[in-house]
Amino acid sequence: GQQVMQIPQYQHVQEGEDFTTYCNSSTTLSNIQWYKQRPGGHPVFLIQLVKSGEVKKQKRLTFQFGEAKKNSSLHITATQTTDVGTYFCAVRKTTDSWGKFQFGAGTQVVVTP
Amino acid sequence: DVKVTQSSRYLVKRTGEKVFLECVQDMDHENMFWYRQDPGLGLRLIYFSYDVKMKEKGDIPEGYSVSREKKERFSLILESASTNQTSMYLCASSLRGGSQYFGPGTRLLVL
Repeated sequence: GQQVMQIPQYQHVQEGEDFTTYCNSSTTLSNIQWYKQRPGGHPVFLIQLVKSGEVKKQKRLTFQFGEAKKNSSLHITATQTTDVGTYFCAVRKTTDSWGKFQFGAGTQVVVTP
Repeated sequence: DVKVTQSSRYLVKRTGEKVFLECVQDMDHENMFWYRQDPGLGLRLIYFSYDVKMKEKGDIPEGYSVSREKKERFSLILESASTNQTSMYLCASSLRGGSQYFGPGTRLLVL
């Protein structure tokens, strides 16, 4: 079953607001990746986090890996309509082989102008 | 740019039919993956391959098999399609431990 929880499942945001989506695992992770899938499209890679406590930024997107390497967050500031889509985290456990990533169910983001 | 192509965008099959989904990547990636995507469940890994003729089961391999005879091509086979295999199927490829590049997906309907 799903061992990766993403919350919230659904996020309705006013344009210009900030929001955060979370990815939580019950086990220690080796690394985590984030993807974005636009409506009707396929997932597109955003970032990979490897180190404990790591923080990476991509323009208005800030990604963080927890100190215990069991959770991660994606924070978007000043949301724009182009941020619409579903954001997935994909995790690899320390016990898993290379390439075996487990995806969360995703956070679907809707932005109203 | 990495290109991952899938043989069909839409496919309609009958229960019990054997179904082949093909995926080709052009970036010499070692890893290739097959996922299915269903609303509310995200992407679930069916199988992945880390080298030619090498494969490993994902989270939901039952009812599926795979074949990787050449590095650039990874096939998903539904031996006897069932209605609960109606889904969006996504193929991806990556370098070892790297980001995954996805194909456009095949929407399969099993009647």
